Amino acid sequence: GNSVTQMEGPVTLSEEAFLTINCTYTATGYPSLFWYVQYPGEGLQLLLKATKADDKGSNKGFEATYRKETTSFHLEKGSVQVSDSAVYFCALSGASGGSYIPTFGRGTSLIVHP
Amino acid sequence: GAGVSQSPSNKVTEKGKDVELRCDPISGHTALYWYRQRLGQGLEFLIYFQGNSAPDKSGLPSDRFSAERTGESVSTLTIQRTQQEDSAVYLCASSSLGGQLNSPLHFGNGTRLTVT
Repeated sequence: GNSVTQMEGPVTLSEEAFLTINCTYTATGYPSLFWYVQYPGEGLQLLLKATKADDKGSNKGFEATYRKETTSFHLEKGSVQVSDSAVYFCALSGASGGSYIPTFGRGTSLIVHP
Repeated sequence: GAGVSQSPSNKVTEKGKDVELRCDPISGHTALYWYRQRLGQGLEFLIYFQGNSAPDKSGLPSDRFSAERTGESVSTLTIQRTQQEDSAVYLCASSSLGGQLNSPLHFGNGTRLTVT
């Protein structure tokens, strides 16, 4: 079946540091890939997505590139801010019995210190 | 516009009692999903609705769990004879293009269920 593996958290960084959160996946066919973010006290919301190999999704300074050869979709940001502190979920949408049910990773908590 | 609304936000219940969790999706969204998130775990798929029918209920963990959706709108997730292992955050999400490859989900804030 489909699965998503994310790096364990929490990830703790100082403001303006470079961020990478690793995500790898297992899926049949050609899934779409997503990053969702959950800020404290809020629901999960879409951060970015990529729908085919070599696509780069980007939003709010975050980027992730769909790498089919390594089955990865790592999230990066060049300079994090305190306001980026949140839990980040990698997800894929791939075929499952005739429909596409999104599969999520465990989430990675990011803590950014001033 | 209004997002996905879930109620109650918190529920504490005694073992053996039944509970009902409610989800109001975004108006016009045909697809609705229920997930469960246990402490320290990822999101566990429970059931998917397209309109009022449930083409995929493969994630429901036991026959104590059931869900329905009416009017292509509100959905309720019912857990009968709750057990302590049912304690989790129950998340509802909706999508305008249900069951499609590229459709993102819009989540509610969840219901935190604690079974004592």
